[in-house]
Amino acid sequence: DTAVSQTPKYLVTQMGNDKSIKCEQNLGHDTMYWYKQDSKKFLKIMFSYNNKELIINETVPNRFSPKSPDKAHLNLHINSLELGDSAVYFCASSQDAARGVRQFFGPGTRLTVL
Amino acid sequence: AQSVTQLGSHVSVSEGALVLLRCNYSSSVPPYLFWYVQYPNQGLQLLLKYTSAATLVKGINGFEAEFKKSETSFHLTKPSAHMSDAAEYFCAVSEYGNKLVFGAGTILRVKS
Repeated sequence: DTAVSQTPKYLVTQMGNDKSIKCEQNLGHDTMYWYKQDSKKFLKIMFSYNNKELIINETVPNRFSPKSPDKAHLNLHINSLELGDSAVYFCASSQDAARGVRQFFGPGTRLTVL
Repeated sequence: AQSVTQLGSHVSVSEGALVLLRCNYSSSVPPYLFWYVQYPNQGLQLLLKYTSAATLVKGINGFEAEFKKSETSFHLTKPSAHMSDAAEYFCAVSEYGNKLVFGAGTILRVKS
């Protein structure tokens, strides 16, 4: 069983569209994260949820909206997609939000905006 | 805010040679440090982490890292490189809320 899974793995869409990426973890963790890896492979956190509550919200355009329906799921919805949104998006989870707790990463979703 | 600097965006070694990937951190509090590896088109896999229990940390696949507070470093080493070690390596520090702040990454190339 995959610990952290993401769907879809690849997403190709046109500018201006709205799309969602789903993430699920079966580890029983309380905390989930979204990271963005840009074309230069630089990784940066976007959001984090702990027990379904938003605890980290970096300077991300408000076109990005995370939603956590339960502790096992953290979805990312993106409105009005732009070329610059093209990236690989990684979901991760950890047992809790204490500093230093190991994070488990999903396989990533490669988003291409045309 | 904490930060991580990885010296050398590309490192090339011969198979069987020593691997040394450099990481320096900046932190106003005792740091929690990680090394992750990313193989092409895959997610990130934890190699090892430092959480103040011991300064020399052993990880998977024969990698280890030594925490040196005086040098604010956490360099990753492996005595003998294998072709399968070719990948991108990321050093990271954990901040408030356990968010990871990553370095820019180092691509390791292993020559036969």
